[in-house]
Amino acid sequence: DIQMTQSPSSLSASVGDRVTITCRASQGISNYLAWYQQKPGRVPKLLIYGASTLQSGVPSRFSGRGSGTDFTLTISSLQPEDVATYYCQKYSGAPFTFGPGTKVDIK
Amino acid sequence: QVQLVQSGAEVKKPGASVNVSCKASGYAFSAFYMHWVRQAPGQGLEWMGMITPSGDRPTYAQKFQGRVSMTSDTSTGTVSLEVSSLRYDDTAVYYCAREKGGLVTFDYWGQGTLVIVSS
Repeated sequence: DIQMTQSPSSLSASVGDRVTITCRASQGISNYLAWYQQKPGRVPKLLIYGASTLQSGVPSRFSGRGSGTDFTLTISSLQPEDVATYYCQKYSGAPFTFGPGTKVDIK
Repeated sequence: QVQLVQSGAEVKKPGASVNVSCKASGYAFSAFYMHWVRQAPGQGLEWMGMITPSGDRPTYAQKFQGRVSMTSDTSTGTVSLEVSSLRYDDTAVYYCAREKGGLVTFDYWGQGTLVIVSS
């Protein structure tokens, strides 16, 4: 099975900072990569699919890039409401594995 | 609007079984696959498997094969997850999640059902 890793596991940044999270697949998955945001005590929310396509209603400060094995999620200007854990997920084929998550908070 | 409403929390003993239901509304039930994802306390998301709307082709993660069963009832718009031979490490929040139109990403999620395995 393809394994998904994320780095860093956690980060702390100031409001307005540019934040980048990396997700890596153990084998190429083309662009079959999604990102989710899970706020504390809440249900996960789809942010990005197809590695770079923003889900409807998601603020434009979120963006995704990558293909093959290396992917990034960028928040261009971190806001207090972005405090959450972010997960990548591969969907190139079953099992549809999630990464271990990156916890983002405000410094 | 799309809603996935799950059944309530459960407390079960080790070795028992649990059934979690997820009732869908606000969209054409027969047009979308449904998945189950679980999250142990303080841990990440774990994909468990998926079911077609007709219920004829469940696919389970290898880890859960032989111990989980997913069913779908188009007459009520409800999918169900049964986990048998419960262990302490099955304690988790179980989510149903709708597949986004042909892409195996999850655009709508149930509110989650907490299953506690405790003696």
